[in-house]
Amino acid sequence: IVLTQSPDFQSVAPKEKVTITCRASQSIGTTLHWYQQKTDQSPKLLIKYASQSISGVPSRFSGSGSGSEFTLTINSLEFEDAATYYCHQSSRLPDSFGQGTKLEI
Amino acid sequence: EVQLLESGGGLVQPGGSLRLSCAASGFTFRTHTMIWVRQAPGKGLEWVSSINAAGDDTYYGDSLKGRFTISRDNSKNTLYLQVNSLTVEDTARYYCTRRASLREFDYWGQGTLVIVSS
Repeated sequence: IVLTQSPDFQSVAPKEKVTITCRASQSIGTTLHWYQQKTDQSPKLLIKYASQSISGVPSRFSGSGSGSEFTLTINSLEFEDAATYYCHQSSRLPDSFGQGTKLEI
Repeated sequence: EVQLLESGGGLVQPGGSLRLSCAASGFTFRTHTMIWVRQAPGKGLEWVSSINAAGDDTYYGDSLKGRFTISRDNSKNTLYLQVNSLTVEDTARYYCTRRASLREFDYWGQGTLVIVSS
């Protein structure tokens, strides 16, 4: 299953809102997860199962979608949100990741 | 506290082999499917391989062409990845990660760097 994220890169100002889209090449229900990877760090789980929040992750991060189109929304951006964001599907083996969206604040 | 600590990476010549390890602690290792994910320098994440909790069901990425073997020792709380016939395209940081209940990857190690070069 191929995951395609858009955009590849986005530059936004602090306190703005950003939406990242992930499209799957076939329907995957809601088995879609989002990760944040900061420079020289390991990926960190942000959202699981398309829209379920993760303990410790700020509430400004939210996810939605089902089937083949998903979105990650970050409200009121902060400088610390500068990172690359990846979607990941675990509906069908082998799992796959989107190509990543680099966010500059 | 859940911890995953990879080791075994390094510089290897094309055609060489390495055995990567991931030492797990802070959770019941024998009950979780474990995964290897890699990331080439400046590139995105690539799913490499998975192994179920018992160690008797494994999967590999299509591009690996039978060169990689995943295994685990539940008595030692350790995950392994044997990588053979390495090429420069295998140069990457290799991460160990745990699969959680909704098939998400909830904990990641810091990764071990494999550099394939002559």
